[in-house]
Order: sequence, then C-alpha cells, then structure tokens
Amino acid sequence: AQSVTQLGSHVSVSEGALVLLRCNYSSSVPPYLFWYVQYPNQGLQLLLKYTTGATLVKGINGFEAEFKKSETSFHLTKPSAHMSDAAEYFCAVTPAIYSGANSKLTFGKGITLSVRP
Amino acid sequence: GAVVSQHPSWVICKSGTSVKIECRSLDFQATTMFWYRQFPKQSLMLMATSNEGSKATYEQGVEKDKFLINHASLTLSTLTVTSAHPEDSSFYICSASGRNNEQFFGPGTRLTVL
Repeated sequence: AQSVTQLGSHVSVSEGALVLLRCNYSSSVPPYLFWYVQYPNQGLQLLLKYTTGATLVKGINGFEAEFKKSETSFHLTKPSAHMSDAAEYFCAVTPAIYSGANSKLTFGKGITLSVRP
Repeated sequence: GAVVSQHPSWVICKSGTSVKIECRSLDFQATTMFWYRQFPKQSLMLMATSNEGSKATYEQGVEKDKFLINHASLTLSTLTVTSAHPEDSSFYICSASGRNNEQFFGPGTRLTVL
C-alpha cells in the first residue's frame, strides 16, 4: 500500500524567492514518484517524475525534486518563484511494478502555492 | 503527444437526470483509463480503473450502478452519472495510460447538479 503526505495546505513566497514544497511517501515496494501542477478548473500537468536512475530529477518550468530513500521524501524545489507558478501542486506515488492496474496513482492532498509580488 | 480530451468541459443538469462525460486519448492508444473525482480544495480521489473491453474496477465506496463506466475502444472511455443529485456535483478528471503506463490527464469536467 502507498500513501503520500504533503504537510500544510498553503505556501506563500515572494516572487524571486526559493520554492520548497514537501512530500513524504510510504510504500511497501519501490516507488515511482511524481509531482503534478493544477491550475484552476484544469486537469493535472506533469512537472517531473522519478522512476529509476538519478535521484535528482529536473522538470518543466525550472522545477526539480530529489528522491531521498532514507528520508522517504521527494521534495519539490524551484530557485526563484514566478507569479505564474501560483497553482495547486500534488505529489503522487505508484508502485515501481509498473503495469496495468498497478500504475494506479495515490495522491497527496495537495499544496496551494501563492506568489507575492 | 499524449493528449487527453474530455467533453463536455462543464455541464449543468437537473436533479434526476443522467450525464455522460467522454474521455478520449487523441494521439495514443489507451489500454487503461482512470476516472477521478475532485472536490473543491481537495485531492483527486480515484473512482475506478477501466481496461479496454473489460468491466471497470471500482474503488471501495464508489457505487458502480451510479457511476457507469464504459471503455469500448482504445481511445474512448465514458463516465455516466445516473440519476444525478446535487451531492454528485464535482470536478471529474480522467486519465489515460498506454504501453509505458504513464498517466496523462484530461482537462476535467465540472458537473453542477441543480
């Protein structure tokens, strides 16, 4: 079974400041990990994912995340926030046995990112 | 590539009527499609998983007679909310996965039941 914890519901940063959105996971098998962004009244867009290989993964829009197995974490960062980054962010996990119904995603509850001018 | 569309993007209906939502994979064959429900300011809750040509697998607590899912082809799945009531009002999102099993999400359908 998998679960995802995203502590807090809202993060506010100033434009140009570092963005750090935390994600911790629990999984009984090796995980694949994902970060998605959702703008109001839209579906989810994949920011980045970790499957195998390098534990620091880079995604779109300048975001990156690092898979830390010892800490069961997959925190999302961006060095400098932009106004257009304001959105809802979801962390998700799926078993690394990646086939058919096993690709079912378990989502965290999401974090709202606000960016102040 | 990997575009998923949903239709309609929003729908308003009267209580007691049925509503059908379509999910299409436009440029790939989707062996598996997933249907999610999202309440305001909340996460996505998986409702059901459907594989082409077979019956959908519903998550615990989801009424299969209420939420009918059909996955008749490799590019189309439909969700029908039968006898809709105001508590069914929500944002419904589908996703589709192909051979590599990565999920691609549709833009969502906002359902409002009066």
